[in-house]
Amino acid sequence: EADIYQTPRYLVIGTGKKITLECSQTMGHDKMYWYQQDPGMELHLIHYSYGVNSTEKGDLSSESTVSRIRTEHFPLTLESARPSHTSQYLCASSEYGSHEQYFGPGTRLTVT
Amino acid sequence: AQTVTQSQPEMSVQEAETVTLSCTYDTSENNYYLFWYKQPPSRQMILVIRQEAYKQQNATENRFSVNFQKAAKSFSLKISDSQLGDTAMYFCAFARTDYGQNFVFGPGTRLSVLP
Repeated sequence: EADIYQTPRYLVIGTGKKITLECSQTMGHDKMYWYQQDPGMELHLIHYSYGVNSTEKGDLSSESTVSRIRTEHFPLTLESARPSHTSQYLCASSEYGSHEQYFGPGTRLTVT
Repeated sequence: AQTVTQSQPEMSVQEAETVTLSCTYDTSENNYYLFWYKQPPSRQMILVIRQEAYKQQNATENRFSVNFQKAAKSFSLKISDSQLGDTAMYFCAFARTDYGQNFVFGPGTRLSVLP
């Protein structure tokens, strides 16, 4: 399996709380991504990054924010969680010149 | 814009049988990449097989093979000798060759392998 890690794997949190989902990869990949996976299992790109200090919004509008201070680290933050944020969040990375994405195990978030 | 369609939301197959998952896509590009990814229940998404559009030969990986029909914009996945461990969501994905472009994923097909 690819060396890309996400923590926590499962999180149940109350409305209004601030949360940060962690994603790290040890492969030195330039590009990183965050996907939201809804109950129907379809994947929606919400954020991506070309490298350090680069962040872009994806196809699906999201109230979350991301940062890329280090190559290996791409955390996603929700300032005020709401029940509509309940979903699975997948992090992925790819190497420059390669079109294969490597995925983390995902974080399943439940906001009550 | 590119789109990827998987017309079979769910499929099932008996163990040891062969199953084919369909994928069609729409693009005006001549060169691109196509992928099949597998997501087992509660487990990590992994790459099953990839195809480069300029290669006419269909890609194969052990029991997994594709039928790539460029003119028809079709990219089906055949799983031979299905095993219980093949039970998963399968996603078809498209990527342009310029690195800056992101993947376009299909909606997925849920495959159940029955004992």
